[in-house]
Amino acid sequence: QVTLKESGPGILQPSQTLSLTCSFSGFSLSTSGICVSWIRQPSGKGLEWLATICWEDSKGYNPSLKNRLTISKDTSNNQAFLKITSVDTADTAIYYCARSLELGVYWYFDFWGPGTMVTVSS
Amino acid sequence: NTVMTQSPTSMFISVGDRVTMNCKASQNVGTNVDWYQQKTGQSPKLLIYGASNRYTGVPDRFTGSGSGTDFTLTISNMQAEDLAVYYCLQYNYNPTFGGGTKLELK
Repeated sequence: QVTLKESGPGILQPSQTLSLTCSFSGFSLSTSGICVSWIRQPSGKGLEWLATICWEDSKGYNPSLKNRLTISKDTSNNQAFLKITSVDTADTAIYYCARSLELGVYWYFDFWGPGTMVTVSS
Repeated sequence: NTVMTQSPTSMFISVGDRVTMNCKASQNVGTNVDWYQQKTGQSPKLLIYGASNRYTGVPDRFTGSGSGTDFTLTISNMQAEDLAVYYCLQYNYNPTFGGGTKLELK
């Protein structure tokens, strides 16, 4: 059974660094074709892909945020991480992690965590 | 970034309706498009991958089609449980989501 769960600070102040953890089970990030991605959603708004890390340690970042994002993984402990530097109120959102599969020409998010709410406020 | 424009942004529908929603890419993305369903208070769920492939367990009333820049998600016999926001996603370039189509009851 595949599960993912996000954890984060809940609230932080502008200019701080946001650190998020995705803890997962039911799969390994060392298995070929498997990636973990971060997606966020401001309240009442749409989805925004942030970053992806894959089994062979390749990484992809949203170009709009690339300079502020760092994704990493701990394969042995089944965790993936995302750091966002210099946060401001526009970073207030629900942050999801999701498993993404590369299957030949296909790529999709098949399992999602419940999300963690992050509020940036002074 | 490749912009995905969904239309309409909302639809008022009745149970049993045939529902069609659209997603237009700002450049050719082949068939590298997925569709997701998000119900209120829940995480998104995968419906369609590769533009037209129904994911495991998705009812056959959901059908995806299209290629290039124009994509469609059709619900053939709308059920109350299908009330949700639907998002398209392209992954031909850096992944980008459309803005969503919200289905509401008349």
